[in-house]
Amino acid sequence: DQQVKQNSPSLSVQEGRISILNCDYTNSMFDYFLWYKKYPAEGPTFLISISSIKDKNEDGRFTVFLNKSAKHLSLHIVPSQPGDSAVYFCAGAPFSGSARQLTFGSGTQLTVLP
Amino acid sequence: DGGITQSPKYLFRKEGQNVTLSCEQNLNHDAMYWYRQDPGQGLRLIYYSQIVNDFQKGDIAEGYSVSREKKESFPLTVTSAQKNPTAFYLCASSPAIYYEQYFGPGTRLTVT
Repeated sequence: DQQVKQNSPSLSVQEGRISILNCDYTNSMFDYFLWYKKYPAEGPTFLISISSIKDKNEDGRFTVFLNKSAKHLSLHIVPSQPGDSAVYFCAGAPFSGSARQLTFGSGTQLTVLP
Repeated sequence: DGGITQSPKYLFRKEGQNVTLSCEQNLNHDAMYWYRQDPGQGLRLIYYSQIVNDFQKGDIAEGYSVSREKKESFPLTVTSAQKNPTAFYLCASSPAIYYEQYFGPGTRLTVT
């Protein structure tokens, strides 16, 4: 049972345009969501997060939108740059205990074309 | 430099052998985690530890064991009971009560 789904395994975007990566979740206990970026043979790096009490969070070129009723979140990257080419994982976490158990999606490979 | 180190980056073992993957952090984080990543899949939680001398099973703990004798260290042993041990293993840490986890560079284990 996939609690976090990233239905697009890959996405190609022209440099300078907007990249939109999507993520759906099924677990209504999730109250916090994160996006990670991963290059091959490296560990993921944290990108941006959003709490369930918000519907939008911005950090520079990155914006995450959360639609709780649809159990859907998206990551917008504007403008896209070739260095953004990587695999992007979304993750959800419930509020439980002091260690946060993240559940990851399968990732979307973003390719930004120069 | 604060961070998480995993060694070695590449590890090769024969089937039937136990192997221990190292994870060290100097971020003074309380919680530590082990994940595995397989091609085309997300990260799956193997074990996690909130404090020293305590750890809990994640979603795919069978065939793995861990210890947490020091705050800085959380080694993972892949035992011969793990049916598909070849994977990319990632260690992470976080301050207690924080959601954001910080990952090490990973160890690619190949068992033949």
